[in-house]
Amino acid sequence: DAKTTQPNSMESNEEEPVHLPCNHSTISGTDYIHWYRQLPSQGPEYVIHGLTSNVNNRMASLAIAEDRKSSTLILHRATLRDAAVYYCILRPDPTMYGGATNKLIFGTGTLLAVQP
Amino acid sequence: DAMVIQNPRYQVTQFGKPVTLSCSQTLNHNVMYWYQQKSSQAPKLLFHYYDKDFNNEADTPDNFQSRRPNTSFCFLDIRSPGLGDAAMYLCATGQTLYNEQFFGPGTRLTVL
Repeated sequence: DAKTTQPNSMESNEEEPVHLPCNHSTISGTDYIHWYRQLPSQGPEYVIHGLTSNVNNRMASLAIAEDRKSSTLILHRATLRDAAVYYCILRPDPTMYGGATNKLIFGTGTLLAVQP
Repeated sequence: DAMVIQNPRYQVTQFGKPVTLSCSQTLNHNVMYWYQQKSSQAPKLLFHYYDKDFNNEADTPDNFQSRRPNTSFCFLDIRSPGLGDAAMYLCATGQTLYNEQFFGPGTRLTVL
């Protein structure tokens, strides 16, 4: 399974942008980059995913390096409710492999603290 | 709102006493997953059902079993809980094996 590397923790101030990095130097050409987050005492929740192009949704933006060996999750204006563990996960292209290899494998993630 | 529900949120059991955790979903998703999350660790997949097909992870202990009587419900049975089984147990669903997963709030299991 392709591995990701994330900082253990980061801090941000409320209403400021947050850039959460993820390194995945062994990513294969068919791996999608997924981000989930886990708020305190809750189950993880899906944030965003992408393959090559940058992606935006209502929660965040995902910037993917041209060589795809790294990516950055961007929260445009952090709120106290964004304090969570953020997981960067690689998932194979579902059209290339069977479902058995498409499971979510969580790494250690980045614990984001947001200061008021 | 469509959702994933886990009951109970907190469960206390005794060493060796069988325990069952429950998960239900209103999303009508085909796939239901069970994860184990120990303190300060990442979630770890135990097994999943795709419809009625059960898929066990290679390193899931035999002590852990699962049942899915219908689309909406899935159960996690721990036959003889040990102290090392104390953890948060997370249920998740997915429309297919490839879509995003929707997680429930988890059941925190304490083993005395």
